[in-house]
Order: sequence, then structure tokens, then C-alpha cells
Amino acid sequence: LAKTTQPISMDSYEGQEVNITCSHNNIATNDYITWYQQFPSQGPRFIIQGYKTKVTNEVASLFIPADRKSSTLSLPRVSLSDTAVYYCPGMDTGRRALTFGSGTRLQVQP
Amino acid sequence: EAQVTQNPRYLITVTGKKLTVTCSQNMNHEYMSWYRQDPGLGLRQIYYSMNVEVTDKGDVPEGYKVSRKEKRNFPLILESPSPNQTSLYFCASSKGRGYEQYFGPGTRLTVT
Repeated sequence: LAKTTQPISMDSYEGQEVNITCSHNNIATNDYITWYQQFPSQGPRFIIQGYKTKVTNEVASLFIPADRKSSTLSLPRVSLSDTAVYYCPGMDTGRRALTFGSGTRLQVQP
Repeated sequence: EAQVTQNPRYLITVTGKKLTVTCSQNMNHEYMSWYRQDPGLGLRQIYYSMNVEVTDKGDVPEGYKVSRKEKRNFPLILESPSPNQTSLYFCASSKGRGYEQYFGPGTRLTVT
């Protein structure tokens, strides 16, 4: 079972860059690293996925070092609407299932 | 529009009264699963299905049943609901392992 570890919560202010780091100690060789965002009372929403190095899309950047034992989700210039819970789920290889922990609760202040 | 739908969105019921929460996806995804979300416990998988007629237990399957007779539908059945099944339930689908998961809007269930 590939379990991940991430901070329980983070605080930021509007306009700042936010970096959330996740450790993936047991990640399998073939597994991608994915991040999801969840607003209250809504289902999680896929943000970004990568295998190694850096991936960027219109929402975020994802940095993955060569050993792939961690990843960092970078949100540039956050706004109040980025207040949400962010997950970096692990992968249960046997069940082919994402295993979500409690995520990182990001609070963006004005 | 690609989506996962769930019904009902809200349900209040009494202990022991059988209920079904429906889930449907329009993306021809093979993999579907059910999660429950409780405060402080994150998302926990209940059951999953890798294709039609192929289902298996997740982390917390006790008290739940599922079926996958059609590729697009994956209903969650609570044959005798109990108060400890009060939770927020999400259905999700994906093309397969390692692919992006699409989540439904959630069903908030209260069992009294």
C-alpha cells in the first residue's frame, strides 16, 4: 500500500505562492503522482498529474524530484477561491485504488 | 458534458429501511468506485468495480452492497442502514488504474 503524508493545514494570503509538499515513500515504479482539490460538499477534482520533473498546467505546477519520494504542488498567486482541501492520494496496487488521506486544508486570507 | 451523476443528493432515512444510491457515468469508463467521507477520516473506499460484473471490496465494505450490471451504472445498496452509515458518499469513475478519477457531486445520507 502506497501511503502518502502531507501537512494537515496551511495558511496563506491572497497573491502569494503556495507550495504543498507530499511524501510518497512507497510509490510504485509505474505509478503517476496526482493531486486533487476538494471544496466543501463537493467531490474531489483532479488538478494535475506527473511522473517526474516538472509539469505545469493552467491551474498549478507539480515538481517531482528524481527519486520520486516526494512531490510539491505549487499554486501561483492564490486567491480566496483556492481555499480548499488538497489531496495527493497514494495507490493501492492490489485494488488499483487511490487511497486518500485527510489532505491539506489550505486557508487563503484576504 | 462528461460527468458522474448521483441520486439522491440528500437523503434522511431511518434505521433498517433499505435504500439505494444510484451512480451513473457517461464517459464509458471501466473503473468505478464508491467512497465515504467522514470528518477527520478523509475519503475511504467502500467498493470498486473494474468492469461489468466485476466488483470487489474496498477499505470499509461492511453494511454495503454494490452491483455492476451495466458499464455506466454502479449503484450502492444499504440493505439495513444504521446510524454509523451517516456520511457523505461519493461515486467516482476513471478509464482505469492510474488515470484521472472523476467524482460525482456527493450524496449526504443521514440515518436516524
